Amino acid sequence: QKEVEQDPGPLSVPEGAIVSLNCTYSNSAFQYFMWYRQYSRKGPELLMYTYSSGNKEDGRFTAQVDKSSKYISLFIRDSQPSDSATYLCAMSVGTGNQFYFGTGTSLTVIP
Amino acid sequence: KAGVTQTPRYLIKTRGQQVTLSCSPISGHRSVSWYQQTPGQGLQFLFEYFSETQRNKGNFPGRFSGRQFSNSRSEMNVSTLELGDSALYLCASRGSVFSEQYFGPGTRLTVT
Repeated sequence: QKEVEQDPGPLSVPEGAIVSLNCTYSNSAFQYFMWYRQYSRKGPELLMYTYSSGNKEDGRFTAQVDKSSKYISLFIRDSQPSDSATYLCAMSVGTGNQFYFGTGTSLTVIP
Repeated sequence: KAGVTQTPRYLIKTRGQQVTLSCSPISGHRSVSWYQQTPGQGLQFLFEYFSETQRNKGNFPGRFSGRQFSNSRSEMNVSTLELGDSALYLCASRGSVFSEQYFGPGTRLTVT
């Protein structure tokens, strides 16, 4: 079983829709949870960073962590064509430890 | 501030050959990590170097090796290339082992 599981999609939504992206994990020791966005032919860039359980909001993006279910989500409100990218979840036991990534979900926002 | 740079951007090699990839971190960053990205496996951690010392190592065979120089630039070497080594190799740097990672654009390696 992989440490982190993520539905690869692809996901296609109309502009303005709410997007929900999810990952599940198996290691209950994970404490740090991250979401990265990767545009075509670019490296991943950090979008959101959460410690332990709870919600974190940044503009149109909300990250949720449910440690009891080993489940994390990223919500994108009022999605824009510029949000079209691959979204990767990542997690680690500690900030100085190895990062484990999901395989990424490909998102297309249609104008 | 210049971002993480990786050279070359694209590379085609033949099975059995070896290859060396280079990564220049953001100025002042002392930690460099290497990842392999493939459609089926996603991003997989290879190793991390901090101040010329390997801190962490992923679950890859010994054909994959790396090093870091005193100026924090890092190289990754893959010997005896296999078809399955075809992937995007990403390098990421951070200022300390407790801070955010910044990724480079990657080197696309194709093994034929």
